[in-house]
Amino acid sequence: NAGVTQTPKFQVLKTGQSMTLQCAQDMNHEYMSWYRQDPGMGLRLIHYSVGAGITDQGEVPNGYNVSRSTTEDFPLRLLSAAPSQTSVYFCASSYIQGVIPSPLHFGNGTRLTVT
Amino acid sequence: GQQVMQIPQYQHVQEGEDFTTYCNSSTTLSNIQWYKQRPGGHPVFLIQLVKSGEVKKQKRLTFQFGEAKKNSSLHITATQTTDVGTYFCAGKLNSGYSTLTFGKGTMLLVSP
Repeated sequence: NAGVTQTPKFQVLKTGQSMTLQCAQDMNHEYMSWYRQDPGMGLRLIHYSVGAGITDQGEVPNGYNVSRSTTEDFPLRLLSAAPSQTSVYFCASSYIQGVIPSPLHFGNGTRLTVT
Repeated sequence: GQQVMQIPQYQHVQEGEDFTTYCNSSTTLSNIQWYKQRPGGHPVFLIQLVKSGEVKKQKRLTFQFGEAKKNSSLHITATQTTDVGTYFCAGKLNSGYSTLTFGKGTMLLVSP
């Protein structure tokens, strides 16, 4: 049982380049989300999805796009990378069971550097 | 906007000392979750509290949810070097389904 799988683990981009961070989960979780983690800032929500075909913005969505074509996959696209997007990115998923959020399962993270 | 505040940001203790981190919200929380992130790792779920005044224990860790459901604490008794990491609280701020809001975390360093 792999859980939440993120690829790549590390990435270096030049300003203006685009790329996609991959996230896949094998737990049949309805809820999937992307967070970025910066020193002293904690975990900030970028985008989230409550099911295939449904996505919504989080706290810091600018510069990022997402789609959810299947239950398993939730890729995060950087359209035109900027140095401010240098961060560690975590994908997380959970069941949806009523109004109380279920525990999040996090991937191992992607460390992104934009030069 | 609405936030979940966590203090302290950082604490350095000697092995065997106790440690407490506090989580506060200006609005009522539906729940509180606690996560631990080891250096270089990813956040791992520890526990969830839902009821007003709830107290739960996991070995040397004690978790409390305030009576007004606006604050929470995590207390570690007799810290060990294996407790090193950043502890995050997270809560749901609004009624209906919405996302979790994370505190900024408390980084714990334990010296042997």
